[in-house]
Amino acid sequence: AQSVTQPDIHITVSEGASLELRCNYSYGATPYLFWYVQSPGQGLQLLLKYFSGDTLVQGIKGFEAEFKRSQSSFNLRKPSVHWSDAAEYFCAVGPITGGGNKLTFGTGTQLKVEL
Amino acid sequence: DAGITQSPRYKITETGRQVTLMCHQTWSHSYMFWYRQDLGHGLRLIYYSAAADITDKGEVPDGYVVSRSKTENFPLTLESATRSQTSVYFCASSDLRPGGELFFGEGSRLTVL
Repeated sequence: AQSVTQPDIHITVSEGASLELRCNYSYGATPYLFWYVQSPGQGLQLLLKYFSGDTLVQGIKGFEAEFKRSQSSFNLRKPSVHWSDAAEYFCAVGPITGGGNKLTFGTGTQLKVEL
Repeated sequence: DAGITQSPRYKITETGRQVTLMCHQTWSHSYMFWYRQDLGHGLRLIYYSAAADITDKGEVPDGYVVSRSKTENFPLTLESATRSQTSVYFCASSDLRPGGELFFGEGSRLTVL
């Protein structure tokens, strides 16, 4: 069965510092990989996704993620964090074929930004 | 406005009562989903639907019932609510393309006393 692990429950960074959120997955084949962000009291919004091609993908709000097949990882990064980035971040995997776009989510990482 | 809307946003009920959470989308997306969000568990899939009159169980379907008589609506019913069903429920939709983005509603916070 597929699973997603986000080992960091909470992360605190200073505004302007760099950020890396970790994500590891277990899947039978190479899946679609996603990062979503959830602001307080809101639904989830897609930051970026990966299926194939360049292993470094760019997303919205200045985020990027790198797929590493050998490590089954898809870590999210941002060079300089802004206070408005404080939110909860979810990594997710989904099927390439069949499966109806059902996503399996990690448990999330809560990001706090110190001014 | 186009989008995906959930109602009610907040609901308090008692154990044993029936509760229905509504979800409506205006994009004519084929896929619709219900997830629940709980601390320490992230989002877990309850049910999903590939089209009108086609539904299937997700990871945690017990205690829930869904229907989809129209493409745009996907209600979730708790036939006899239990305290363990206290959660935030999210509806989402996506089009048919593999890897298509899921668009989420703002969530329905349900408390079962």
